[in-house]
Amino acid sequence: DAGVIQSPRHEVTEMGQEVTLRCKPISGHDYLFWYRQTMMRGLELLIYFNNNVPIDDSGMPEDRFSAKMPNASFSTLKIQPSEPRDSAVYFCASSLAPQRGGRGYKNIQYFGAGTRLSVL
Amino acid sequence: AQSVAQPEDQVNVAEGNPLTVKCTYSVSGNPYLFWYVQYPNRGLQFLLKYITGDNLVKGSYGFEAEFNKSQTSFHLKKPSALVSDSALYFCAVRDVGFQKLVFGTGTRLLVSP
Repeated sequence: DAGVIQSPRHEVTEMGQEVTLRCKPISGHDYLFWYRQTMMRGLELLIYFNNNVPIDDSGMPEDRFSAKMPNASFSTLKIQPSEPRDSAVYFCASSLAPQRGGRGYKNIQYFGAGTRLSVL
Repeated sequence: AQSVAQPEDQVNVAEGNPLTVKCTYSVSGNPYLFWYVQYPNRGLQFLLKYITGDNLVKGSYGFEAEFNKSQTSFHLKKPSALVSDSALYFCAVRDVGFQKLVFGTGTRLLVSP
C-alpha cells in the first residue's frame, strides 16, 4: 500500500482565500484523523472519523474549519476564509478498528507526509 | 483525562552512547502507550507500543521502551545512538473509550558525531 496520501504538499495562499486539503487513507482503514502541528501549540487533533462519520470535532478551532469524508477513500479539510494564524503543517492519519487486523495493529495510526500551509 | 508528559524539550547525546527520552503518563484504567518519531518534513512514524504483557517493549530501528507502572513512566531507550536517530520523538496515550491518541509535546533528540 502507498500509505496515507496527502495533497498538496505545500500550499501558499492569501488571507481570506479558501483552502482545501485532501487526504486518501490507507485502503481498508476504518478511522481517519486530521491533526495540525505548529511550533507554539505542538500536535493538535482537529477531528476524526469512523467509517466516514465524524466522531469528535472538538479540536476544530472555529467555524472557518470544516471537514468531510464522503467515502472511505477520501477526506477534505477546508478553511474558509483562511487567516495567517492558520499557517501550520496539517497531517492526516488513518488506522484500523481495534477489533480488526489483530493485536499487532491495534490503535496504530499511520500518518501522511503532511501539507505545509502558509497564509500570507 | 488521559495525558502524557515529556519533560525534556531536547536531549543531546553523542553517537555510540545510550539514549533515553522520557515520558510519564496519567491515565484511568490500563494504559495503551505509544512512541512515534518524526523526521524533518515527514509525518509521524510508529516506533513501538505497550498494551499489556512484558514491561520491556522492542520496536523499530533498535529502539525499546520500558513500562514502569509504579513510576507511571514509559521511557524510550536505545543502547547505542546513531546520528540518523536525530529527530522529534512523541509519546502518546490512547484516550479511554476512544480511538484517538493524546500526544505529548515532543522531545527533540540530537545525536552528535
